Amino acid sequence: KAGVTQTPRYLIKTRGQQVTLSCSPISGHRSVSWYQQTPGQGLQFLFEYFSETQRNKGNFPGRFSGRQFSNSRSEMNVSTLELGDSALYLCASSRGSDSGNTIYFGEGSWLTVV
Amino acid sequence: GDSVTQMEGPVTLSEEAFLTINCTYTATGYPSLFWYVQYPGEGLQLLLKATKADDKGSNKGFEATYRKETTSFHLEKGSVQVSDSAVYFCALSDASGGSYIPTFGRGTSLIVHP
Repeated sequence: KAGVTQTPRYLIKTRGQQVTLSCSPISGHRSVSWYQQTPGQGLQFLFEYFSETQRNKGNFPGRFSGRQFSNSRSEMNVSTLELGDSALYLCASSRGSDSGNTIYFGEGSWLTVV
Repeated sequence: GDSVTQMEGPVTLSEEAFLTINCTYTATGYPSLFWYVQYPGEGLQLLLKATKADDKGSNKGFEATYRKETTSFHLEKGSVQVSDSAVYFCALSDASGGSYIPTFGRGTSLIVHP
């Protein structure tokens, strides 16, 4: 079955702009979570959506937001981009209903802010 | 709260050497444990998992045993290849607090020389 699909794979934005990243989860998965990965901070959890509701949130400013649609597809948005937002943004999906279930990652969206 | 501690990297080995990457965890409940691998320029892929004490996860020659008494889940491989060069992440998932979001370690970079 198809894996987690993220678009776009690569993008370059200017400081102050906003960006929207998209994620299509594995069919049947209701949980979608987002992570930011940078060399200095490692893998940091942004937020998780389950059945269109934000269920968990990491420690990021309000410029970072997301949503999930009825088909479980998710988008995340970053407004007023800063240079420090340059990172690999990873989406992951899972059944989201028990601790033994595995989360599956997409290949990520590489964001460069200039 | 839950936490995962991995050995610092990079770990540098020659091809066919034995690999151990240490991982210890702290959790309030009875977590499931995972190893993920990230190849350069890609997202994270599940390498193996174990859901209860004394379980052994294995895949592609890698193994890890869930040791509850030592709260450890060390990753081992008997003979590494150049193609194993990647970053390895240990993670746990513990739903006892009502969250299904995995906790990740900071990752350990493995470099294998021919």
